[in-house]
Amino acid sequence: AQSVSQHNHHVILSEAASLELGCNYSYGGTVNLFWYVQYPGQHLQLLLKYFSGDPLVKGIKGFEAEFIKSKFSFNLRKPSVQWSDTAEYFCAVNAREGRRALTFGSGTRLQVQP
Amino acid sequence: GAGVSQSPRYKVAKRGQDVALRCDPISGHVSLFWYQQALGQGPEFLTYFQNEAQLDKSGLPSDRFFAERPEGSVSTLKIQRTQQEDSAVYLCASNRMSWDRGPIMNTEAFFGQGTRLTVV
Repeated sequence: AQSVSQHNHHVILSEAASLELGCNYSYGGTVNLFWYVQYPGQHLQLLLKYFSGDPLVKGIKGFEAEFIKSKFSFNLRKPSVQWSDTAEYFCAVNAREGRRALTFGSGTRLQVQP
Repeated sequence: GAGVSQSPRYKVAKRGQDVALRCDPISGHVSLFWYQQALGQGPEFLTYFQNEAQLDKSGLPSDRFFAERPEGSVSTLKIQRTQQEDSAVYLCASNRMSWDRGPIMNTEAFFGQGTRLTVV
């Protein structure tokens, strides 16, 4: 079975600060990796995804994530956050073959202060 | 439609009442997933449909939970004799591919806004 750990439950930053949210997963096989964002009152939206190839992936709104296979990690980064990045961020994985249901982490609530 | 649509957005049920939650996936999407998101947690898988076939219901917490997708498009999640621990946001997601395709067919899932169920 897969599991996902997000170590930061609540992060408070000032605008222009740099962001890094940790995500570690456990699974014996090959996985796809995702970061979803949920803005207040809105549905889950895909920020970025990794299926294969370059382990550094770039997503929307200036976010990027790096897949480090040896560390089972897929940390999310942004060099300079904005107030509008205030949201909840979820890391998720699914198996590359077979059962494709996403397994989510418990989420990180990011609060950006102006 | 343009996205995954769920209704109702909010539902308050008295304990013991039956509820039905509806999901309209993106047109043509083969795969449909239901997730349950408790307060302060990430979504947890409930069940999966490939067209009208329910291929995985391993995440359904009890036999009070039942899901169907009779024509391979709209899906309904039904909860019988609701209990307080059923209070959560129920999310639906759809994906244009089926999950028995090979690794080159990896695609993303699109989520609806969810139905917030409160059992009182």
